[in-house]
Amino acid sequence: AQSVTQLDSHVSVSEGTPVLLRCNYSSSYSPSLFWYVQHPNKGLQLLLKYTSAATLVKGINGFEAEFKKSETSFHLTKPSAHMSDAAEYFCVVMGLGGFKTIFGAGTRLFVKA
Amino acid sequence: DVKVTQSSRYLVKRTGEKVFLECVQDMDHENMFWYRQDPGLGLRLIYFSYDVKMKEKGDIPEGYSVSREKKERFSLILESASTNQTSMYLCASSSPGFRGNQPQHFGDGTRLSIL
Repeated sequence: AQSVTQLDSHVSVSEGTPVLLRCNYSSSYSPSLFWYVQHPNKGLQLLLKYTSAATLVKGINGFEAEFKKSETSFHLTKPSAHMSDAAEYFCVVMGLGGFKTIFGAGTRLFVKA
Repeated sequence: DVKVTQSSRYLVKRTGEKVFLECVQDMDHENMFWYRQDPGLGLRLIYFSYDVKMKEKGDIPEGYSVSREKKERFSLILESASTNQTSMYLCASSSPGFRGNQPQHFGDGTRLSIL
């Protein structure tokens, strides 16, 4: 069985400081993992994906994530937060065949000026 | 870029009405999905389709049906709308890809209110 846990429901950072959004997963086989961002009243936009190639994955808007099998983690980071990064972020694990997709509960990121 | 277009951003309907939500994608994707998103409940899969005229129930199919007559279009139907179907509805599409694990691409959502 697969599952995904986002460890923080809310994260607040100051503009220009680093961002860390934490995600742990559980999977009986090597998973495909994704991070999405959702701005208010919009759909989900793909930030980055891990599909068993390089463990450090770079995405759009300066975000990156590192797959750590030993820790079953896939944390999302960004060196310097921008006001426009304020949104909700979802960690997602996908099963074989691409049909069974498990979404995390989401982490809302607040960015203070 | 993949474009998933949902026909309405906001929709207000009355209890008992039959409601159609339309979704079109332009990337020739085989897979299409309908989710609803509610505060505190996250995203829940209603139905998905892996080919024309094919459909599978998701986690919460009760009160909904779907139609996929063309590859690019996937419709969600509320047979008799009820107030508990007030929600944000999200459509997504994906290609099967190698091992089937390609990301889903989402539309902007339809915020549906049932009065």
